[in-house]
Amino acid sequence: RKEVEQDPGPFNVPEGATVAFNCTYSNSASQSFFWYRQDCRKEPKLLMSVYSSGNEDGRFTAQLNRASQYISLLIRDSKLSDSATYLCVVNSFNDYKLSFGAGTTVTVRA
Amino acid sequence: DAGVTQSPTHLIKTRGQQVTLRCSPKSGHDTVSWYQQALGQGPQFIFQYYEEEERQRGNFPDRFSGHQFPNYSSELNVNALLLGDSALYLCASSTKRGTPSYEQYFGPGTRLTVT
Repeated sequence: RKEVEQDPGPFNVPEGATVAFNCTYSNSASQSFFWYRQDCRKEPKLLMSVYSSGNEDGRFTAQLNRASQYISLLIRDSKLSDSATYLCVVNSFNDYKLSFGAGTTVTVRA
Repeated sequence: DAGVTQSPTHLIKTRGQQVTLRCSPKSGHDTVSWYQQALGQGPQFIFQYYEEEERQRGNFPDRFSGHQFPNYSSELNVNALLLGDSALYLCASSTKRGTPSYEQYFGPGTRLTVT
């Protein structure tokens, strides 16, 4: 079983729409959670950390459900520039590596 | 403030050959991690170097080896290349001082094609 699983999409949405997607993780000892954004053929860039209480960063909202071991990302008022692959990332205590999902592709159309 | 840099940007090698990829961490960072990202997949952890030692290794064969230099830069070496080694190789840097070690910043990557 993969450590981190994501719905690959693609999610194809019009500008201004709201789009949401989840990922699940298998290691109950996971302690830190992130969403990274990756544009085509570029490096991943940290979008936001995910906290237990949930957190917002502008149009982006992240939620964590430890009981069910899933993380979600919601994008409001989608912009063309939001088109990218969103990588769900998990880190466990005393573990130096980041564990990545395969990514969810979002395409925002005009 | 220079970010993470990697060289070369692209590389084409033949099966059986050896390759060396290079990474310079972000200014102020002392820890370097290497990841392999195959097409359509998320990055997979290869290993992490800190204080010139391999601190943790992922599920990769011994053909993959690395080194960290006193200036914190790092090399990734892959021997006996296979077609399946074709991927984007990403270097990420972080620091034990201050920010948590899991805040890793990625370089632009080296795209390796094995023919």
